[in-house]
Amino acid sequence: NAGVTQTPKFRILKIGQSMTLQCTQDMNHNYMYWYRQDPGMGLKLIYYSVGAGITDKGEVPNGYNVSRSTTEDFPLRLELAAPSQTSVYFCASLGGATEAFFGQGTRLTVV
Amino acid sequence: DQQVKQNSPSLSVQEGRISILNCDYTNSMFDYFLWYKKYPAEGPTFLISISSIKDKNEDGRFTVFLNKSAKHLSLHIVPSQPGDSAVYFCAAHFTSGTYKYIFGTGTRLKVLA
Repeated sequence: NAGVTQTPKFRILKIGQSMTLQCTQDMNHNYMYWYRQDPGMGLKLIYYSVGAGITDKGEVPNGYNVSRSTTEDFPLRLELAAPSQTSVYFCASLGGATEAFFGQGTRLTVV
Repeated sequence: DQQVKQNSPSLSVQEGRISILNCDYTNSMFDYFLWYKKYPAEGPTFLISISSIKDKNEDGRFTVFLNKSAKHLSLHIVPSQPGDSAVYFCAAHFTSGTYKYIFGTGTRLKVLA
């Protein structure tokens, strides 16, 4: 049972490049979330989705875009990478009013 | 605007003693609270939760207390073990409506052998 899978695990981007962080879950969860964790900081919510076709902004959405065309997938898009987006990104899914399940994270460095 | 706050970035405790981690929140609409544990290079994993209709929930060595009037929750670990050394995050969310899931800044717990 895979749970929540994120790819890639590591990536180095140059300033101005774009990329998509992939997230997929096999638990048929409706709710999915993207967080970033900066060094010494907590988890900040970037975007979330309550179901296929529905997304909404979190606490720090600027510089990112998301889509939710299927229940399983929730990709996060960076269009013009900036050094401030250097962080560890976590995807999570939630099936009900209980705990969320997290992926292993994607460590992104923008140089 | 930090809706969920953990004011202690770090805590050191002797093995066998009690660890108390604290968390404050500002939004009275939150109705479900959780604690997560995170090891380096891994995603957070669920530890224990509490609904806003309760004031205490216990699971083995872990107990979470909720004080709604003070908008405060705490996690007690008794007895603390070296394997408990990790970063602990509290989280809060709305179980209806937006289902936003907000995390605190984390407390790094170090249990000394």
